[in-house]
Amino acid sequence: QVQLVQSGAEVKKPGASVKVSCKASGYSFSNYHITWVRQAIGQGFEWMGWMNPNSDNTGYAQKFQGRVTITRNTSISTAYMELSSLTSEDTAVYYCARIREWARDAFDIWGQGTVVIVSS
Amino acid sequence: DIQMTQSPSTLSASVGDRVTITCRASQSITRWSAWYQQKPGKAPKLLIYKASTLESGVPSRFSGGGSGTEFTLTISSLQPDDFATYYCQQYHTYPWTFGQGTKVEVK
Repeated sequence: QVQLVQSGAEVKKPGASVKVSCKASGYSFSNYHITWVRQAIGQGFEWMGWMNPNSDNTGYAQKFQGRVTITRNTSISTAYMELSSLTSEDTAVYYCARIREWARDAFDIWGQGTVVIVSS
Repeated sequence: DIQMTQSPSTLSASVGDRVTITCRASQSITRWSAWYQQKPGKAPKLLIYKASTLESGVPSRFSGGGSGTEFTLTISSLQPDDFATYYCQQYHTYPWTFGQGTKVEVK
């Protein structure tokens, strides 16, 4: 079935970087944009950015510009989100999601989420 | 950034009730909005996109409406599986933004 499977939980120290993977299966990875969203514990969602796996074009929320990088490896149908200069405020569940049909569209398939804890 | 404001924040209801959640955008987003359902410890699930289009596989008791700045999600007859938190989202303008959520709880 169509699914996105993310890498496991991470614990990082302040100032470090984290890289989360998101492996797609059950559909053609290159045909759908991927996006990343995070949710702090008990909070709402923050959209971080998107990527077109076919072209490697990306777009980032201004809040994360310069700190986030979204990449992909099409040979293994996997997208990556790397966030640098971590602080305690980056502690959250990070989700990848497939953008439904067009570049501007809803998110129809979600990964299971990756917990990232930033603590000294 | 476009602010998405949901009301109410919490809604107490019983099985069989008709439930409506409202989402207001701080500026017009035409119909570029979606609704998601999230249960504790789980990823969100897409219910409605383009304001009123039901995602495939979602029960027909869910419906969406609105355009411009005001949107609604209605559950026509609340079922036990529907107790969850619901979020609206706009994808009209970057950065895409979400409402703060509405928790539907047992009355």
